[in-house]
Amino acid sequence: QKEVEQNSGPLSVPEGAIASLNCTYSDRGSQSFFWYRQYSGKSPELIMFIYSNGDKEDGRFTAQLNKASQYVSLLIRDSQPSDSATYLCAVRRWYSGGGADGLTFGKGTHLIIQP
Amino acid sequence: EAQVTQNPRYLITVTGKKLTVTCSQNMNHEYMSWYRQDPGLGLRQIYYSMNVEVTDKGDVPEGYKVSRKEKRNFPLILESPSPNQTSLYFCASRTDSNNSPLHFGNGTRLTVT
Repeated sequence: QKEVEQNSGPLSVPEGAIASLNCTYSDRGSQSFFWYRQYSGKSPELIMFIYSNGDKEDGRFTAQLNKASQYVSLLIRDSQPSDSATYLCAVRRWYSGGGADGLTFGKGTHLIIQP
Repeated sequence: EAQVTQNPRYLITVTGKKLTVTCSQNMNHEYMSWYRQDPGLGLRQIYYSMNVEVTDKGDVPEGYKVSRKEKRNFPLILESPSPNQTSLYFCASRTDSNNSPLHFGNGTRLTVT
């Protein structure tokens, strides 16, 4: 059974600090990794995706992937109150020739940025 | 504007009364899917479609039907809704590239009494 694990939180971080969100996955065949942000009652919106080991930066966000440890993380620098949301980690195994999407979501980490 | 459009946003209905939630995307995406989201259970896939006339079950398909007659549309049909189908539903689409992310619609909050 493919599993994606996230600490549900809440994770409380002071404004201006770095928020670190973590995700582990069980399927070693996973090849694409996504971070979504979801405000309460709203749809998930894509923040970043990564598929190579190492770091990928986009503005205040950095995604980190370590396939050997089956671990992916999201760092948010200079945290703002508007970053307060639930962050979903999603992991995909690739299937050749079509077939199942293979995308599995974690249950999310609730992040609170304290002013 | 590239988007996934779901309708209605809110729906209250009674047990057994057939309903359809529509989903349309304007990005020419091959892949479309439906999810439901419940507290403590996260996002769970109901059905997905790899292309026109190609649909398949996700993790929680019981009580739902879908169709994909056109590339842009992927309606979700509840033939006989029950209270345990009260949930927040999302339609999503993406290209058929393995690296492509899902783009979500704004959601439909369904209450079945």
